[in-house]
Amino acid sequence: AQTVTQSQPEMSVQEAETVTLSCTYDTSESDYYLFWYKQPPSRQMILVIRQEAYKQQNATENRFSVNFQKAAKSFSLKISDSQLGDAAMYFCAYRSRVGGTSYGKLTFGQGTILTVHP
Amino acid sequence: GAVVSQHPSRVICKSGTSVKIECRSLDFQATTMFWYRQFPKQSLMLMATSNEGSKATYEQGVEKDKFLINHASLTLSTLTVTSAHPEDSSFYICSARDPEGDQPQHFGDGTRLSIL
Repeated sequence: AQTVTQSQPEMSVQEAETVTLSCTYDTSESDYYLFWYKQPPSRQMILVIRQEAYKQQNATENRFSVNFQKAAKSFSLKISDSQLGDAAMYFCAYRSRVGGTSYGKLTFGQGTILTVHP
Repeated sequence: GAVVSQHPSRVICKSGTSVKIECRSLDFQATTMFWYRQFPKQSLMLMATSNEGSKATYEQGVEKDKFLINHASLTLSTLTVTSAHPEDSSFYICSARDPEGDQPQHFGDGTRLSIL
């Protein structure tokens, strides 16, 4: 079974600064997806960024980028030019590409609460 | 974009009541839907995978007789919490997998269940 670990329960950053959220995972599979989700106080789940394991290039979405280290099984999220609206709980998630009755199932990390200070 | 509607958003009821939560995919056919439970400041814990036309697959430790899941159509899955008790109070979130779409899962806005 796959596991996802986020070792930072809470992080804080000053507005306009950069912050990096850590995530490690464990799997025996070679092909999979990794995601970062944002959950603001409204508790809506918002997809921030995704990475396919077979792609060596790190994914980027505007101010959000990842550092994907497949050998180390590490998948960190960097938020540049942090904004007050970035304050939320962030979850790292793993999804297998193997089929079956639970195909598409996401395994989430424990989450990191990000506070942005003005 | 694809939307998943979850209803109701908030339920408050007495202990012993059964509560039904609906999860609908509005503009795509979802052969697979997922039900999660989330406690405050904690992660989403997968309860079960709901497959259209077949029995749900429950995660270890989840009581299938307590949390009844029905996925009778390609756009609707329901979770019924039977004889709910205060310890069942939690935030429940559904998601649906769109096999044609780009995103891995589309999430509903969740249901806050409070059992008195």
